[in-house]
Amino acid sequence: AQTVTQSQPEMSVQEAETVTLSCTYDTSESDYYLFWYKQPPSRQMILVIRQEAYKQQNATENRFSVNFQKAAKSFSLKISDSQLGDAAMYFCAYYNFNKFYFGSGTKLNVKP
Amino acid sequence: ETGVTQTPRHLVMGMTNKKSLKCEQHLGHNAMYWYKQSAKKPLELMFVYNFKEQTENNSVPSRFSPECPNSSHLFLHLHTLQPEDSALYLCASSQDGEGLEKLFFGSGTQLSVL
Repeated sequence: AQTVTQSQPEMSVQEAETVTLSCTYDTSESDYYLFWYKQPPSRQMILVIRQEAYKQQNATENRFSVNFQKAAKSFSLKISDSQLGDAAMYFCAYYNFNKFYFGSGTKLNVKP
Repeated sequence: ETGVTQTPRHLVMGMTNKKSLKCEQHLGHNAMYWYKQSAKKPLELMFVYNFKEQTENNSVPSRFSPECPNSSHLFLHLHTLQPEDSALYLCASSQDGEGLEKLFFGSGTQLSVL
């Protein structure tokens, strides 16, 4: 079964600084999707960024970018110019064959 | 109007009660999901429905009973729950099969079983 591992239960970053959240996954498939979701205190999970495994180019969405290392099965999220509103739980997810698998999450604190 | 709406937002129930969670999606998606979110654990997939047909039952105890009357509505019927069932229950939807796979979530129902 596919597993997704987030080894950092909690992280802190100073406002305006850059932070990187780590994620590794285990799969024998070559075609799949990877995601980062954000869950603020409102509890609604919001898609931050999405990466197709067949694309070599790393996805970017404004201040959010990923470092996708397919051979290493690594998918980290970089948040640049951190803002107070970025404080939330962040979940890494893997998708294939109609199933999503999530990591246990990383709580990001942003210090003013 | 949000894409995926869940009610109620909070629910407290005794172990002998029967209650239902409701989820509605306004996105025209063809797949709907129930997830259980417990503290410090990965989201646990419970059920998946594709075009109203259940395609996944992830070894969920029978005290949880899903119902999908149409592609826009999903219910989770609860009966004789245990305290360890207390968690946040998230509904999600997606449009599968068109290269657009991504989940859209509701705000969840925070369930407490006494």
